[in-house]
Amino acid sequence: DVVMTQTPLSLSVTPGQPASISCKSTQSLLHSDGRTFLHWYLQKPGQSPQLLIYEVSRRFSGVPDRFSGSGSGTDFTLTISRVEAEDVGVYYCMQGLHPPRTFGPGTKVDIK
Amino acid sequence: EVTLVESGGGLVQPGGSLRLSCAASGFTFGNHWLTWIRQTSGRGLEWVALINPDGNSKWYVDSVKGRFTASRDNARDSVYLQMDSLRGEDAAVYYCARDVDWGRLEDWGQGTLVTVSS
Repeated sequence: DVVMTQTPLSLSVTPGQPASISCKSTQSLLHSDGRTFLHWYLQKPGQSPQLLIYEVSRRFSGVPDRFSGSGSGTDFTLTISRVEAEDVGVYYCMQGLHPPRTFGPGTKVDIK
Repeated sequence: EVTLVESGGGLVQPGGSLRLSCAASGFTFGNHWLTWIRQTSGRGLEWVALINPDGNSKWYVDSVKGRFTASRDNARDSVYLQMDSLRGEDAAVYYCARDVDWGRLEDWGQGTLVTVSS
């Protein structure tokens, strides 16, 4: 199975400051059609996970533009340009290319 | 508005069975892949099963193969997860989600809690 790792596992951020989360996979997530199936999810406290970013860098509908994704192959990054209080929760990367689909362990983000 | 509502969770003894249901609305159900994902406090999110639009193709994580069976009823806009031979490590919140494209899970249910204990 493809193993997803995330760093850091927790992050405490001052509002208005940037934050970045790294995600690495043990196999390339590049499909032969040129798309890369790495997605980011956020689980806010007490809620179900929600899609933030799909295919590395595409923001899902309604996601603020302070969220961005980048990377290729096996190395990916989620960046929040200016963290707001509503961004607290656990962020997960997930690969959708290789069965079984696998998630990273999650990065817990809270506000200082 | 897309909604997914899971039900059927509860307390079951080790070795027992449970059938989870997920009722969908707000989209053309028969056109979409559906997936089951579970979450435990110790193991985070774990993808469990995937079923294609007509229900004829299914994929499972190794740990549930031979014990769990996904199915769907497109006439009822519902997907199911039959869980047999349950183990302690199957205890989790189970979510159903709409898989739009290669793991792009645009919609999730609220989850249903499965507890496995004697």
